[in-house]
Parts: sequence; C-alpha cells; structure tokens
Amino acid sequence: GAGVSQTPSNKVTEKGKYVELRCDPISGHTALYWYRQSLGQGPEFLIYFQGTGAADDSGLPNDRFFAVRPEGSVSTLKIQRTERGDSAVYLCASSLGGQGKNIQYFGAGTRLSVL
Amino acid sequence: AQKITQTQPGMFVQEKEAVTLDCTYDTSDPSYGLFWYKQPSSGEMIFLIYQGSYDQQNATEGRYSLNFQKARKSANLVISASQLGDSAMYFCAMREGENFNKFYFGSGTKLNVKP
Repeated sequence: GAGVSQTPSNKVTEKGKYVELRCDPISGHTALYWYRQSLGQGPEFLIYFQGTGAADDSGLPNDRFFAVRPEGSVSTLKIQRTERGDSAVYLCASSLGGQGKNIQYFGAGTRLSVL
Repeated sequence: AQKITQTQPGMFVQEKEAVTLDCTYDTSDPSYGLFWYKQPSSGEMIFLIYQGSYDQQNATEGRYSLNFQKARKSANLVISASQLGDSAMYFCAMREGENFNKFYFGSGTKLNVKP
C-alpha cells in the first residue's frame, strides 16, 4: 500500500516568506507526527495529532510554526515569516495510534531552504 | 540530559561481517519503547526493529537483532552478515510511557559497508 507522502520534496523560499508543507499519512492511521531534522542530527519532535486535534505541540519552536489536520487525514505544517534557521528537512510520520508498539512510519521529508 | 545517546558518529564494517551500533537511553518511566530506524541517502526513515521495556527476550527481525540490557539502559543494534545496501544512517529512538507518542531520537551513526 501507499506510504506516507510529503509534498513538496524540496522548497526554496526567501527569508520572511510564508510556506506550507503537506503530509498525506498512511490510510487508516489516526496518529500523525511532524519532526524537524537539521543537518547531521536526529529528528526533533514538533507536534503530534490524534485525529483532528493536536495532542502534543510542545516541540513547536515558536508561534511562527503552526500545523493543522482538519479532517483527521492530511496535515499541513505552516511556517510564517521564515528565517534562515528554519532550513531543515521536515519529516512527517503516521501510526495506528494507541498504546503498545505503535510504530511510526515516515515519509521522505520536505527539504526546506530559506535564503 | 540527553534521552538517547549514540556515541559512534561513524562506523565501518566489512561486507558479510557483523556490526554493533550502540545506543543508550535515559528515562525514569518503567514503560517505554525503543526503536531503530535506517535512513538511506534518499532520506526516508525505515523502521527496523522494536523492543518494549517489558519484553523478556531480545527482539530479532531477520538480520537485525537488538541487544537489550535494561539495567545498563542500553539497546544496541546488531546487524549480521552486512550487505552493501546496509550503508546508511542509523537512528535509535525512544518513546516514553504508554500514552506519550513522540519519539526522542539520537544523533545517529553513519554505517559504511566496505566490499
């Protein structure tokens, strides 16, 4: 079956612009996660959705970052007034949710470059 | 304190040999899950193996096994019979508690398999 799909795969923008990154999870997965991976580092948690609601947004670095999942499937990560420090790969993952193993399956990421 | 520590930035292994990638973790929660992911140059994080904190036996998945030493808080990944296609970044991750879903990732180990 189809895996987690992220679009675009690459995004180049100018400092100060607004960007949207899209994530289409595996069908039937109720949980969705966003992570940010800077060069040479492991992914860092940003936000987690269970269904339509953000169950944990403790990883969002500041109020320029916002994410939505209005229908409990596709999610959009929105970054306002982008800064050069926002340049990174943004990874999305989905899982069945709930307790236990709850393996997260990742997309290939969106590489964001802020010039 | 770091939740996940991977002390080997890079490792080399000869094709067909076994290799161990180190991971230590830090948590006071009795319930947690440990995961290993592979990230090839394409960027997608591929799930390899899972170990639950209450699992009595070490996890195995094909050529991958997890050397789980609870008292030492270590969860090393062992890859047997290395193949050229195993060359990639490898990340150890932890999920704390039954109801918390975000992952903490280590900084990764770059594995190079030599022919």
